[in-house]
Amino acid sequence: GAGVSQSPSNKVTEKGKDVELRCDPISGHTALYWYRQSLGQGLEFLIYFQGNSAPDKSGLPSDRFSAERTGGSVSTLTIQRTQQEDSAVYLCASSLWVADTIQYFGAGTRLSVL
Amino acid sequence: SQQGEEDPQALSIQEGENATMNCSYKTSINNLQWYRQNSGRGLVHLILIRSNEREKHSGRLRVTLDTSKKSSSLLITASRAADTASYFCATTYNTDKLIFGTGTRLQVFP
Repeated sequence: GAGVSQSPSNKVTEKGKDVELRCDPISGHTALYWYRQSLGQGLEFLIYFQGNSAPDKSGLPSDRFSAERTGGSVSTLTIQRTQQEDSAVYLCASSLWVADTIQYFGAGTRLSVL
Repeated sequence: SQQGEEDPQALSIQEGENATMNCSYKTSINNLQWYRQNSGRGLVHLILIRSNEREKHSGRLRVTLDTSKKSSSLLITASRAADTASYFCATTYNTDKLIFGTGTRLQVFP
């Protein structure tokens, strides 16, 4: 597609349930990033995929969070046993892995944990 | 922890006025970028300035970079109500991972 696509746009879940958030990056972009943004806050880096390299998971807040990227394209962020503090907007971005890279963002998934 | 801190946290101006936002960062950088976010959703890239550049222009946007002070400023001239949004600076250093600032919420009143 023309831009980064994320689904669902909104997700409401109950505490303790697992959720999966999907990101479809711009075709040809080798780098993919996940961020979390709590209400009124800046962006918190979660994880970064670059080509076939091992992902940079340094931003994942706990072992309840995991992400995979299949075939170098679509990525899924999974949150297990969701907690209320997981409520946030989860943003995905992709980029060409070149110098002076610019990231292109999806519209995000707003996750609400009740 | 976040690399950048932005100042002010919120700014309210009238249409036609200029808006200036500042960003300070902590470590060396390869480049610094400014992004805009409407309604808490996806961010849109505005402008990129490299560490060896001091000033850059794009339309009504003017960005300056002072690496000795580890700071940057974004100036929006002749603001419009449509400029109402949150603005974030972001830096990279030897990686494509962007570290974002805390953002400035700009409100432009008609």
